[in-house]
This record gives sequence, structure tokens and C-alpha cells, in this order.
Amino acid sequence: DGGITQSPKYLFRKEGQNVTLSCEQNLNHDAMYWYRQDPGQGLRLIYYSQIVNDFQKGDIAEGYSVSREKKESFPLTVTSAQKNPTAFYLCASQGTDTQYFGPGTRLTVL
Amino acid sequence: QKEVEQNSGPLSVPEGAIASLNCTYSDRGSQSFFWYRQYSGKSPELIMSIYSNGDKEDGRFTAQLNKASQYVSLLIRDSQPSDSATYLCAVNPEDNYGQNFVFGPGTRLSVLP
Repeated sequence: DGGITQSPKYLFRKEGQNVTLSCEQNLNHDAMYWYRQDPGQGLRLIYYSQIVNDFQKGDIAEGYSVSREKKESFPLTVTSAQKNPTAFYLCASQGTDTQYFGPGTRLTVL
Repeated sequence: QKEVEQNSGPLSVPEGAIASLNCTYSDRGSQSFFWYRQYSGKSPELIMSIYSNGDKEDGRFTAQLNKASQYVSLLIRDSQPSDSATYLCAVNPEDNYGQNFVFGPGTRLSVLP
């Protein structure tokens, strides 16, 4: 069953903590993306990767980091430098021309 | 700066009516256009893609593209309360693999029973 999985579904972070959000896909897509969505707002691009071992900053990369060691995996770390991380985080992958989204992770800062 | 614009809504239509959602884009070289539906608290799901000028129909959904006017629309016939969601327009600005999509802010649709 092909698709994109994200975990955890809900995540709570204390002040000063780094947290890592998982994104895995078995669609054999080269390109993967991380977006942030705030309530009532559109999607903002955090990071993207078009090939293994390479990634690029999006529009709001400050306070975030990523890695792309495997084609299937594109984890996102929200660092303590991100001062307002409470949001809905969406991972997507792209084959030839269409992006598909995972179910999302909702991050809340306590 | 490549932009995609949509009316934020909310757009309210009675059950059974036609809902018309509109989107304009700035990059004249754009080749691929997509409509996503996002229910509250959920991730976007692809409902339509369109690449050529004209209409493309899929069930109750019709996408319309006019590249000369840089305009793409989504019509939902026989609207149902279950169609109540935010609809995101997305444009792939280049005819190249792996280029970044540009998403509009979304239009919130409310179908009233």
C-alpha cells in the first residue's frame, strides 16, 4: 500500500527542546518537501529535497533542520531556535508532476 | 515573486447548487495546475489536475484552465455538505521535474443543508 507516513500525529515540546518529526514514503519519489501551516493560513515551505544527500531552504527555514540520507526518509528537526513552533507540519513527496501529502504532525509548545 | 491568488472566502452555497472557486497565477510559463481539498484538521488531498486549456471533468468536479488569462477554476456541481472544506489551488511554475509548487492561500467553502 503506497503512501506517505508521518509520525507522531501529535507532539508536545517544552521550551528549549529539539524535536524531530518523521516522514517516510514508499512511492519511489525523488522530491520531498516540508510545509508549515498555521491556523487559517496557507502552506509555507520550510525545506525541500530533490535528491538524496541534497536539500534546499524554503521560505521559512530558520530554526529548522533536515537530512536526506535515504530516498524514503526526510526527517525535520524543530530546534530551540524556532521561537514559535506551534503549527501543523505537512510532509509531501513529488513524482513526475504531482505532490502528495502525508497526514501531518500537529506540534504544540507547552 | 511567483504568486497564486484565491478569494479566502468563506464561500457559502446551498446544498445542490454549483460552487465556483477561482484562482489566478502570476507566472505565465506555468504548465501544471492542481486543486487540493483540505478538511479542517486534515492534510490536503489532490482532487483535480489540469494541464491544457479548456475543461476537465471528473464526477461532480470540473476544472477550467485559461492560460491566456492566467486563470484556473474549479466547479463543484450538486454541492453537498461533505464538500465543505478549504480548497487550495497549486501551480507548478515550470515544465521541469521537481520544481516547487506555489500554493494559493485557499478558499473556504461552506455548503449549507
